[in-house]
Formats: sequence, structure tokens, C-alpha cells
Amino acid sequence: QQQVKQSPQSLIVQKGGISIINCAYENTAFDYFPWYQQFPGKGPALLIAIRPDVSEKKEGRFTISFNKSAKQFSLHIMDSQPGDSATYFCAASSQNSGYALNFGKGTSLLVTP
Amino acid sequence: DAGVIQSPRHEVTEMGQEVTLRCKPISGHDYLFWYRQTMMRGLELLIYFNNNVPIDDSGMPEDRFSAKMPNASFSTLKIQPSEPRDSAVYFCASGSGTDTQYFGPGTRLTVL
Repeated sequence: QQQVKQSPQSLIVQKGGISIINCAYENTAFDYFPWYQQFPGKGPALLIAIRPDVSEKKEGRFTISFNKSAKQFSLHIMDSQPGDSATYFCAASSQNSGYALNFGKGTSLLVTP
Repeated sequence: DAGVIQSPRHEVTEMGQEVTLRCKPISGHDYLFWYRQTMMRGLELLIYFNNNVPIDDSGMPEDRFSAKMPNASFSTLKIQPSEPRDSAVYFCASGSGTDTQYFGPGTRLTVL
């Protein structure tokens, strides 16, 4: 069963807009929540990650918001650019499982000029 | 570092044939993961190793799949016999015992 649920499945945003992708999880043992970015024909690449002891982490135009009580986290991409067009995966893992990743189904983002 | 290396990049085979996928992790990493990506199921963990020892193979779909890591710089994922439903992109990833995993470029497998 899918341990991490991700929405929306696809997203179209105009250049300069904000892209928002949401994820939810059930397993309270998860202690690491990364976001991966994947371009066609490439492997996923780590974009940004958060641990549950903080509610927000920002790196450049990318921000993760984390709500531990709701077991939800989201990725915000500010000032979205056409080069951000890719598939984004949220994931969750725990130290006691070697940080093996449980992925969401992915969101295909298209940023239009 | 060259990153995680996978070979072959593309593999086309016929049903019933044996398929071997290869992975060279980043030097110094002690964790190695095999994932499979399909449209229907997304990215799913098949198996992971720590210090060359298989730790969790609960994601391996059935006995036709096997994985080995004979040393710290090499791992294989074997499918015997292969079936059309095995068609997918197979990724290898490695990590250094911390949380970050680095993915290879993947092997696109097509079983006819």
C-alpha cells in the first residue's frame, strides 16, 4: 500500500507563479522527509529535505512546510521558472529502516512561459 | 566522483530470458538501494544492502528476482525468467549511512 500520498498528480503554473505540492503520511516512525526532482530520462535528484523537529525549511526558491500533528508536508516553489518543469516526488523514511525511501506517486509540473 | 553508475542503460529482451542489471555505488557509501519505477506503481523499493549485506528484500516482487552485492563497489539485480510485466526503469541508489541517497541514471528494461 502507498505509505505516502501525494497530490496533485499534475500541475500547470505560469512563470513567476507559486507551485504547491502536498503530501501526507501515516507512519509516525518516519523521521526524514525529502523531495526529489526528476527530469525525463534521468534519475531522481534530491531537492530539499526536512526532519520533523522543524516546521519549515527554505533553500532558495524552494520551501518545505511540515505539519507533524496533521502528518502532512508540502513543497512550495516560489517564482516558478520553465526550467522547474519536471516530476516531483515526496518521500518519507526512517533511520531504523536504513532510510529506504517510501515515495509518493509524483507530480508532473509544467511551468509555462 | 562519477556518481552512481548503472549498466546497461537500456535492455530489450524476450520473455523467459535472464536479465542482469549492474550498479556501481559511490565510493565510500555503505548503503545501496534498488528501486523500480513504473507508471502504475511509481517508485518502489525492491531491496537494500548495508555493508554488502541484504537488510530488507520485502519489496522484491517474487522469486524470479534476486540481488547480490559481492563487494562494496558492485551490485547486481537479476531477473530469471523475465516477464513482460517486469518492464520498468530500475534505479540503483547509494548513501553513506546518513539520510541522503544518490540515484543512478537507471536501466530501462523492456521485456517483449
